[in-house]
Amino acid sequence: DAEITQSPRHKITETGRQVTLACHQTWNHNNMFWYRQDLGHGLRLIHYSYGVQDTNKGEVSDGYSVSRSNTEDLPLTLESAASSQTSVYFCASSEASGAYEQFFGPGTRLTVL
Amino acid sequence: QKEVEQNSGPLSVPEGAIASLNCTYSDRGSQSFFWYRQYSGKSPELIMFIYSNGDKEDGRFTAQLNKASQYVSLLIRDSQPSDSATYLCAVYLNDYKLSFGAGTTVTVRA
Repeated sequence: DAEITQSPRHKITETGRQVTLACHQTWNHNNMFWYRQDLGHGLRLIHYSYGVQDTNKGEVSDGYSVSRSNTEDLPLTLESAASSQTSVYFCASSEASGAYEQFFGPGTRLTVL
Repeated sequence: QKEVEQNSGPLSVPEGAIASLNCTYSDRGSQSFFWYRQYSGKSPELIMFIYSNGDKEDGRFTAQLNKASQYVSLLIRDSQPSDSATYLCAVYLNDYKLSFGAGTTVTVRA
């Protein structure tokens, strides 16, 4: 069955370190998205991609970057982790046409100390 | 003004009752609307989508859309303890992006 996986599921890091969160999907979807979820804010879009070599900034992109070298993967990098980036991160994907439903990965809980 | 606003909750209902969840959105041009359910510690999963004004029923769930009032709701009939979760309203923006509300947490009391 097609799915989205994220790794690691839990991560504790220190302020200033670079952290990369992995997202891998086997839906063969062109569209991939990264969100963070914090209490009271719901899901906020960090970065998104419509295909290989395409990346775009979302509403809360400062301090984050992504790259898309193949259809299946969209890793999210925190260049220099800050305590404000402590959150739960979700990766999602959707088809490039038709329905706009997004399928979500299991999430990564990141704590920055 | 936030793009998508939901009644803040939490909402507590007795088993067997109807849970009513509300969502308003700011972009009058929005065409597609989604309800996701998220259990504690889990990822969101789609339970309903609606594109046309009126009601759409799927089992115990009914989504209602009123584009003139920029309002979408979700009714859960015969609520069960397994319905206890946070419900996220999402509105299609453009270019395959969704805007999510902050969610309403529902607790069904046995």
